[in-house]
Amino acid sequence: EVQLAESGGGLVQPGRSLRLSCAASGFTFSNYAMHWVRQTPGKGLEWVSGINWNSGNMGYADSVKGRFTISRDNAKNSLYLQMNSLRAEDTALYYCAKDAVAATGTFYFDSWGQGILVTVSS
Amino acid sequence: DFQMTQSPSTLSASVGDRVTITCRASQSIGTWLAWYQQKPGKAPNLLIYKASSLESGVPSRFSGSGSGTEFTLTISSLQPDDFASYYCQHYNGYSPATFGQGTKLEIK
Repeated sequence: EVQLAESGGGLVQPGRSLRLSCAASGFTFSNYAMHWVRQTPGKGLEWVSGINWNSGNMGYADSVKGRFTISRDNAKNSLYLQMNSLRAEDTALYYCAKDAVAATGTFYFDSWGQGILVTVSS
Repeated sequence: DFQMTQSPSTLSASVGDRVTITCRASQSIGTWLAWYQQKPGKAPNLLIYKASSLESGVPSRFSGSGSGTEFTLTISSLQPDDFASYYCQHYNGYSPATFGQGTKLEIK
């Protein structure tokens, strides 16, 4: 059974940094692209960032480009999101999500974590 | 900007009803569309990919259709477990995935 478990969220002041982690199990992590997707009541679901299987290609939403960095450690079956210069509008529930197709990546998601809340407020 | 627009935003229906949710793309996307179900307090769950392919384990009362700019998700006979929110999503493997704003399916 695929399991994805996010950690590292919490309350942070505007302009500060936070690092999210996602521990994966139940599948061959190194075979799949992985993504971060966030959700807010007002803006709904928003793809934030994705990374291919070998870290050779990363992508970001325009809203986070230059501030967020995605990375992975295949030896540790872990995905990360370094979030710098946080803004109030980054407040959201952040999900770790597994790409549905091995190797190439498709940007649709067949497994999701339970989500971790990030609140940016002074 | 590219957009995915779902309608209706809220839908009231009864157990046993046939319901349809529509998703429109602001430009043609072929069949690169997925549908998800989300229950309160839970993560989204993949139902349909490539517009009409049923994800493994998803009940056959769910079906998807469409291509180009107009797509539909149909539930043939609503079950109590189906009352949830539904989201469409455009994907193509190399550019940001875009979600619709969601449709909340409520009990009438």
